[in-house]
Amino acid sequence: GAVVSQHPSWVICKSGTSVKIECRSLDFQATTMFWYRQFPKQSLMLMATSNEGSKATYEQGVEKDKFLINHASLTLSTLTVTSAHPEDSSFYICSARNHPGERTQYFGPGTRLLVL
Amino acid sequence: AQSVTQLDSHVSVSEGTPVLLRCNYSSSYSPSLFWYVQHPNKGLQLLLKYTSAATLVKGINGFEAEFKKSETSFHLTKPSAHMSDAAEYFCVPSHFGNEKLTFGTGTRLTIIP
Repeated sequence: GAVVSQHPSWVICKSGTSVKIECRSLDFQATTMFWYRQFPKQSLMLMATSNEGSKATYEQGVEKDKFLINHASLTLSTLTVTSAHPEDSSFYICSARNHPGERTQYFGPGTRLLVL
Repeated sequence: AQSVTQLDSHVSVSEGTPVLLRCNYSSSYSPSLFWYVQHPNKGLQLLLKYTSAATLVKGINGFEAEFKKSETSFHLTKPSAHMSDAAEYFCVPSHFGNEKLTFGTGTRLTIIP
């Protein structure tokens, strides 16, 4: 149980375009999902906390207008990188909790974004 | 604020020998602690977690960790390393009331054939 998927697994796009990444909890309902980014050989940095039915909470330094998060259902959160630029190239990973009182986060397989 | 220190950025062991990845935490009270593993270009997989129910925690793939309050440690061990254990390992704290996980730099485990 507690399986999280992401789609796509990798994407290449041109500079200035927008890219949408989906995060789904497959066998549980997730009221809270989290979005991280990871640069090569670095650790995970939390970008935002996504709450179903409400606005996401962004970490300091993360542009909410650039990284749009929508958590429209209990099994789906999306991250849209708007007007992507090469510096947005990174590995984006989502996670989800399967119970409001549970602190364990279950992670998706990640999405590799390359902006040309 | 809670934090952890992974004492080794890189550990190399020979296949079949024991693995020890060290983690010390800093907190005024006992946190929940997780060990996650990340294989290259993959997401993170939960190895095990400590939530105060038992100090010796057994995880997947033969890994275990012991919470030692007197030493403020939560070291990850495995009796015999396998080539498939080569990955990045993260010791991550979590406290009640703070749903976020804060990742440190991790420990890269290399297995020598």
